[in-house]
Amino acid sequence: DVKVTQSSRYLVKRTGEKVFLECVQDMDHENMFWYRQDPGLGLRLIYFSYDVKMKEKGDIPEGYSVSREKKERFSLILESASTNQTSMYLCASTPSGGATDTQYFGPGTRLTVL
Amino acid sequence: RKEVEQDPGPFNVPEGATVAFNCTYSNSASQSFFWYRQDCRKEPKLLMSVYSSGNEDGRFTAQLNRASQYISLLIRDSKLSDSATYLCVVIFTSGTYKYIFGTGTRLKVLA
Repeated sequence: DVKVTQSSRYLVKRTGEKVFLECVQDMDHENMFWYRQDPGLGLRLIYFSYDVKMKEKGDIPEGYSVSREKKERFSLILESASTNQTSMYLCASTPSGGATDTQYFGPGTRLTVL
Repeated sequence: RKEVEQDPGPFNVPEGATVAFNCTYSNSASQSFFWYRQDCRKEPKLLMSVYSSGNEDGRFTAQLNRASQYISLLIRDSKLSDSATYLCVVIFTSGTYKYIFGTGTRLKVLA
């Protein structure tokens, strides 16, 4: 059974703070993804990684960076949090990035930036 | 035009009813299709894949219409526990495989 965990379920930060969101998967998946989900906008891809130390920008990378030093761990970094980054952040992983691979999601981190 | 479009709903249906949702996609090169279920304040979870020939899993039936570029989800004999948001997901190749999520259709099954 695939398990994807995220470091926090709820997080409250102040504008300008540096924020780290961590995601860990235990199934040796190659690919990992960070999304944010906002009402009416659905899931939007921030960054993804298909291998250790590799990363690709998604649709909305501005204001974010990522780190993948180990295969099982993918971190999302908000260098200087802003109120428009208040959102639900979802991490996901897939085995190999094939067309039939389903995505397995972590429980999400609900971030509020004050 | 959005790459993947869904009616946001909510669809309010009584228990035992049959309900169907559609999801349209714009990229004719789309290769794979899925339905996910998302409960309030929870993560999306895979409900079922959608195959070209159509597929059924208990009360749930998924179909793909490539000519008209839509997928559908039919739920028979609705249960209260079916209340959730249903997301369609389309995968196509753009260098790497790209997952496009619809914004979801909200279903409320009423007692």
